[in-house]
Amino acid sequence: DGGITQSPKYLFRKEGQNVTLSCEQNLNHDAMYWYRQDPGQGLRLIYYSQIVNDFQKGDIAEGYSVSREKKESFPLTVTSAQKNPTAFYLCASSISGENSPLHFGNGTRLTVT
Amino acid sequence: GQSLEQPSEVTAVEGAIVQINCTYQTSGFYGLSWYQQHDGGAPTFLSYNALDGLEETGRFSSFLSRSDSYGYLLLQELQMKDSASYFCAVRNTGFQKLVFGTGTRLLVSP
Repeated sequence: DGGITQSPKYLFRKEGQNVTLSCEQNLNHDAMYWYRQDPGQGLRLIYYSQIVNDFQKGDIAEGYSVSREKKESFPLTVTSAQKNPTAFYLCASSISGENSPLHFGNGTRLTVT
Repeated sequence: GQSLEQPSEVTAVEGAIVQINCTYQTSGFYGLSWYQQHDGGAPTFLSYNALDGLEETGRFSSFLSRSDSYGYLLLQELQMKDSASYFCAVRNTGFQKLVFGTGTRLLVSP
């Protein structure tokens, strides 16, 4: 079955450590996205990529980095510069086009202590 | 910039009809989408309106008025499984970027 896989589901890190969240899709979608969701809040865009080897900052990119070396993969690194990294992170993908819906992975819940 | 406003919470009983409103401000507009998210789960796409009017998909309908920068999601014959958060989202002109509202938590009681 086609879909988006995020791993791991839960992730725990100590403050000051970088951590990389995995996102893989086999939907053959060109566009991929990372969103952050805090309790009781909406989804805020961190980074997005419309094509391999290209990506753009979203609304809250500070303290995060991404890469898009393969069409299927869009890993997100949460760096030690991110002041409040504890959150639920959602990866999504879509085909190109203004009305194409986003397909989301099941998310990674990151806790930093 | 962009902003979307939704009520934070709506309650209803099984079998009832509920309307979730969304008003938006955006520079450029390429349609209003709705997503459903159950607690701890992934958001799933429900509907999309690019033009004014009502779009119906089973028990769910979505409405858009571009002149009023307003839309709503209408859920009919409510079921317990409809208890979830519902997000409206708008897409900028020229980009794939989709911006979400803060979400409306729908609680359906027996």
